[in-house]
Order: sequence, then C-alpha cells, then structure tokens
Amino acid sequence: AQSVTQLGSHVSVSEGALVLLRCNYSSSVPPYLFWYVQYPNQGLQLLLKYTTGATLVKGINGFEAEFKKSETSFHLTKPSAHMSDAAEYFCAVVRATNKLIFGTGTLLAVQP
Amino acid sequence: GAVVSQHPSWVICKSGTSVKIECRSLDFQATTMFWYRQFPKQSLMLMATSNEGSKATYEQGVEKDKFLINHASLTLSTLTVTSAHPEDSSFYICSATDSGVFTDTQYFGPGTRLTVL
Repeated sequence: AQSVTQLGSHVSVSEGALVLLRCNYSSSVPPYLFWYVQYPNQGLQLLLKYTTGATLVKGINGFEAEFKKSETSFHLTKPSAHMSDAAEYFCAVVRATNKLIFGTGTLLAVQP
Repeated sequence: GAVVSQHPSWVICKSGTSVKIECRSLDFQATTMFWYRQFPKQSLMLMATSNEGSKATYEQGVEKDKFLINHASLTLSTLTVTSAHPEDSSFYICSATDSGVFTDTQYFGPGTRLTVL
C-alpha cells in the first residue's frame, strides 16, 4: 500500500534561508508523488509533481523536489524563503485509481 | 490553469438539518471529482470518488447515506451532509481531474467550512 510520511509538523526558517521540507514514501509500485501548498482557509494548490523521467522536478514559486528512489524520499526545497511562502505543505502519493494519499502536512513559518 | 469553485465557502447550520455543498469545474470537464474532509490542523482524508453519471465510491468508514454525493454533469458534483451533527463540523474540499489518467493533476476547490451548532 502507498503512504507518505512528512517529518516535522512545524518548520521555521528565516527569510532568505533555505527551505527543506521532508517527505518519505512507501510504495509497492513506482510512485507518483506530489507536493501541494495550502494557505489558511483555502484549498490546495499544486506545487509540483513527479511521475516519470527527470528526478529533479521544478515547480512554481521557486520550489523544487528530487525523487530519490534509493532513499524513498521526495523532499521539497527552495533556496531562499520568502514571507509569502508561509503556509502548510502536503506531500502526497497516488494510490490506485487516481486517489491521492496525503501526508500529515508541514506548517512552514518564515521569520523576518 | 484549471479552476474549481465551491459554494458556499462557509455555512453554519443547526443540528439535524441537511447541508448541500457544490463543487464546479469552471473551465474544464471533470470526469472525476473527489471529496475530502479536513479537521483542524490535520491532513485531508478522502471521503469519496465520484464519476459523472455513476454512483460515488466511498472510502471505508464513510457513511454513504449520511454523505450523499451526486455528480450529475461533467462540471458539477454536490455533497449533501444529511442530518448534520456537531461532529460533522469540518472543512470540506473537493477536487477534480479532467482525464482518467491516474497520474493526472487534481485541481482543488477553495473548500467549504461547515459548522454544525
């Protein structure tokens, strides 16, 4: 069965610092992985996704993630945090028949 | 990009009443729509999957008679919470895809906050 684990429910960084949000997956088949961002009282917005091909995936707002099969990881990074990046981030894996299984989320705080 | 809307954005109702939430794909035809609920400070939990013109498929533990889903057209799905109780208070979010490809992106609505008094 597919699942994802997000390490760290809260991450705090200074503005301009590197953002690293961790996601590890478990899947019996080649995984299809997603990162979504949720701003307060809003739905989810897709940041990026990995299906096949290049393992380094670039997304919107300067975010990128690297699929590492050997480490079963799909960590999200951004070189320089901006105040507007403060939000909750969800890693997800596709289960059979197009169903997304979400991690528990990581709340990113950006300090001035 | 693809836009999904939800209506209402928030609703307060009395215990025992029914509430209908609409999910619309505005600029694409959604072959499949999903309904999630999200409790405060928690992740999204899939409730059901609906395909246009067919019965919804509910996840284990979700009462289909309590959470009625109708996907009458390729742009509209509705979730009706019947005989709502305070424990049904939650943030309900829908999403939609425009193809049957399981790697395809789900586009999420802005969510509906339901409060049952």
